[in-house]
Amino acid sequence: ETGVTQTPRHLVMGMTNKKSLKCEQHLGHNAMYWYKQSAKKPLELMFVYNFKEQTENNSVPSRFSPECPNSSHLFLHLHTLQPEDSALYLCASSQPQGAGQPQHFGDGTRLSIL
Amino acid sequence: AQTVTQSQPEMSVQEAETVTLSCTYDTSESDYYLFWYKQPPSRQMILVIRQEAYKQQNATENRFSVNFQKAAKSFSLKISDSQLGDAAMYFCAYRASNTGNQFYFGTGTSLTVIP
Repeated sequence: ETGVTQTPRHLVMGMTNKKSLKCEQHLGHNAMYWYKQSAKKPLELMFVYNFKEQTENNSVPSRFSPECPNSSHLFLHLHTLQPEDSALYLCASSQPQGAGQPQHFGDGTRLSIL
Repeated sequence: AQTVTQSQPEMSVQEAETVTLSCTYDTSESDYYLFWYKQPPSRQMILVIRQEAYKQQNATENRFSVNFQKAAKSFSLKISDSQLGDAAMYFCAYRASNTGNQFYFGTGTSLTVIP
């Protein structure tokens, strides 16, 4: 068991659809992350939440909207996506800075935009 | 900005042999952590090994060990007695101790294990 659960595992959507990705962690961590993973590219950090507050937004287009209602749950709301947004979206959690603790990842959501 | 470079997009190793994956990074920090993650085809990223920059001793986890050269900013992963289950993408990652929650990842090395 991973400790970080992402749903759905696969998602196919049209460019005009609205959908949400969900992430839940059972590790007692206080920091949560969204990454985009595309082939042949480094992991792209999208958003970071620390104690439910957003601390990083790496110039992500507004068609991606994160939500962190509590330290255990993280959502990524998707709206009017583009074909280049097709990728694997990974959620991760960790202890806050200074602890040297690694990130724990979910299995990811494979997103395909038609 | 911190960058992490993995110069080997693909590597292969014969089963039971040893392979070394390269990683270099760029930072002006003196206190940080380095990680190697494994991502098998099942997609879940799993921590393989971790190194604290202030420790001179190289980290070891069973068949996995690192060669940490702080002055050279190099952090290679050695896999001994390679097994078929070691086949995966391997990512090197960096995290500064005192400058936020960001982790910086390399582009990954795809490791094939040949039976």
